Amino acid sequence: QKEVEQDPGPLSVPEGAIVSLNCTYSNSAFQYFMWYRQYSRKGPELLMYTYSSGNKEDGRFTAQVDKSSKYISLFIRDSQPSDSATYLCAMTSNFGNEKLTFGTGTRLTIIP
Amino acid sequence: KAGVTQTPRYLIKTRGQQVTLSCSPISGHRSVSWYQQTPGQGLQFLFEYFSETQRNKGNFPGRFSGRQFSNSRSEMNVSTLELGDSALYLCASSLGGEETQYFGPGTRLLVL
Repeated sequence: QKEVEQDPGPLSVPEGAIVSLNCTYSNSAFQYFMWYRQYSRKGPELLMYTYSSGNKEDGRFTAQVDKSSKYISLFIRDSQPSDSATYLCAMTSNFGNEKLTFGTGTRLTIIP
Repeated sequence: KAGVTQTPRYLIKTRGQQVTLSCSPISGHRSVSWYQQTPGQGLQFLFEYFSETQRNKGNFPGRFSGRQFSNSRSEMNVSTLELGDSALYLCASSLGGEETQYFGPGTRLLVL
């Protein structure tokens, strides 16, 4: 069983819809949680970063962490065609000393 | 500020050959991490270099090796290539010890 599980999709939603992307994990030592966005033929870019449990909002994006359930989410409001990409969750227990563990990514398409 | 650059962008090799990939981090960044990305396994951590020393290593065979130079540029080498080594190889740089890793566009390796 992988340390981080993520539904690969693909996920298609109409423009303007709210998108929910999720990851589950098994390692209770993970404390730092990230979401990356990867466009086709590009490297991943960091979207959101949260520490421990709670919510974090940045524009149309909200990241949520529930450490008790070992479950993290990324919500995209008012989705746009430019949001079409693969979204990867990543996590680590300690920056600098521990590697990032990634989910396999969810491919998202926003239909105009 | 220039981003992370990787060369070459595309590479075709045959089984048994070896390959060297290059990564130039963002100016001032001292940490370089390498990842292998495949559709089935997602992003898997290979190794991380900081100030010319390997600080972390993933679960890859010894055929995968790397090094970092005094100017923080890094190379990874794969010897005795196998078909399963076909993947997108990504490098990411950071100042060292922080959460924000900046990824390059990757080198797409095809092994025939």
